[in-house]
Amino acid sequence: EIVLTQSPGTLSLSPGESATLSCRASQSVSNYLAWYQQKPGQAPRVLIYGASRRATGIPDRFSGSGSGTDFTLTITRLEPEDFGAYYCQQYNNSPRTFGQGTKVEI
Amino acid sequence: EVQVLETGGGLIQPGGSLRLSCAASGFTVNLNYMSWVRQAPGKGLEWVSIIYSGGSTYYADSVKGRFTISRDTSKNMVYLQMNSLRVEDTAFYYCARETFEGWFDPWGQGTLVTVSS
Repeated sequence: EIVLTQSPGTLSLSPGESATLSCRASQSVSNYLAWYQQKPGQAPRVLIYGASRRATGIPDRFSGSGSGTDFTLTITRLEPEDFGAYYCQQYNNSPRTFGQGTKVEI
Repeated sequence: EVQVLETGGGLIQPGGSLRLSCAASGFTVNLNYMSWVRQAPGKGLEWVSIIYSGGSTYYADSVKGRFTISRDTSKNMVYLQMNSLRVEDTAFYYCARETFEGWFDPWGQGTLVTVSS
């Protein structure tokens, strides 16, 4: 199965700053990669799919890039509601696998 | 609105059984791919099982032979029958629709399964 490694484990930032989250795959997943946000006590929600396509209703301060094995989620102008955990997920192969997550905290 | 809602979690002893339910609204489960994904407290996400629109089912190696996914099209529901539960099965269990491309949306709020003596 494909292993996804996210870095860093934790990002400590302030509102208004930018966040850069990384996801590296153990083998190529082409552009079949999604990003999710999870706030404490809540279910994950999809932010990005196809490596760079924003899901419905996701603000444009969220952007995704990359292909193959290296991917980035960038959050510009952090808002208070952006703090939480972020996970990448590949869907190039089965079983679908997730990264271990990056926590964005104040 | 497209949404799913899980029920059925609880405290169960090792070796016991539990059935989780997932009620879908806004879409038809038998025309979609439905999955269960779990998350141990404070940990990451782990895909558990999927039932495809054609009825095929697949499982993570960690639950194969112990868990069974099924659906009831008349009730528009999906189930996860969990047998021979282990302490390491303790987690929030989320029901999620897998899109035809492969990401998950929507997700339910999750139901907590605690396996402990």
